[in-house]
Amino acid sequence: DAGVIQSPRHEVTEMGQEVTLRCKPISGHNSLFWYRQTMMRGLELLIYFNNNVPIDDSGMPEDRFSAKMPNASFSTLKIQPSEPRDSAVYFCASRPGQGRSWGTEAFFGQGTRLTVV
Amino acid sequence: EDKVVQSPLSLVVHEGDTVTLNCSYEVTNFRSLLWYKQEKKAPTFLFMLTSSGIEKKSGRLSSILDKKELFSILNITATQTGDSAIYLCAVDNLGFGNEKLTFGTGTRLTIIP
Repeated sequence: DAGVIQSPRHEVTEMGQEVTLRCKPISGHNSLFWYRQTMMRGLELLIYFNNNVPIDDSGMPEDRFSAKMPNASFSTLKIQPSEPRDSAVYFCASRPGQGRSWGTEAFFGQGTRLTVV
Repeated sequence: EDKVVQSPLSLVVHEGDTVTLNCSYEVTNFRSLLWYKQEKKAPTFLFMLTSSGIEKKSGRLSSILDKKELFSILNITATQTGDSAIYLCAVDNLGFGNEKLTFGTGTRLTIIP
C-alpha cells in the first residue's frame, strides 16, 4: 500500500481565497483524521470520521472550516475564506477503525503546508 | 477533555548524551500511549504502551509507562545527530468507535555534533 496520500504538498494562497486539501487513506482503514500542526499549538485534531461519518468535529476552529468524506477512499478539508492565521501544516491520518484500531498506530500522510498571505 | 503534556518543550544536547523526554496525561478512559518521531514530514510510529512497568525497547530508544502516576518517559541513549526531531506523545481512549489520538505539543530535540 502506498500509505496515506495527501495533496497538494504545498499551497500558497491569498487571504480570502478558498482552499481545498485532499486525502486518500490506507485501503481498508475506516477511521480518518485531520490534524493541524503549528509551532504554538502542536498537533491539534480537527475532525475525525468513522465509516465516512463525522464522529467528532469539536476541533474545527470555526465555520470557515468544513470536511467531507464522500466515500471510503477520499476526504477533503476546505477553508473558505482563508486567513493568514490558517497557515500551518495539515495532516491526514488513518487507522483500521470500527474497534479494530486496538494495538495499531495511526498512519500519517506527508502533510500539506498551507501558507495564506 | 483529554489532555497530554510533554516536557521539556525543547532540548539541546551534545552527541553521545542520554536524554529523557516526559509525557503526562489525563484521559477519561485510558487505553494506550503512543510515541512518535517527527523529522521533516509525517510523524512516524515508535512505541505503543499499554501496561505499567513494562519497558519497550528499540535499539537506543526505550520507553516505559506508569499508569498510576499517569506518565511515560522516552529515553534515548548515546544520542546521534539523526535523533534530532520532534518527539510526540499521544493517548488513546478506551471506547468502541472512539479511534482518535490526542497528541501533546511535542519535544523538539536537537543533537549537536
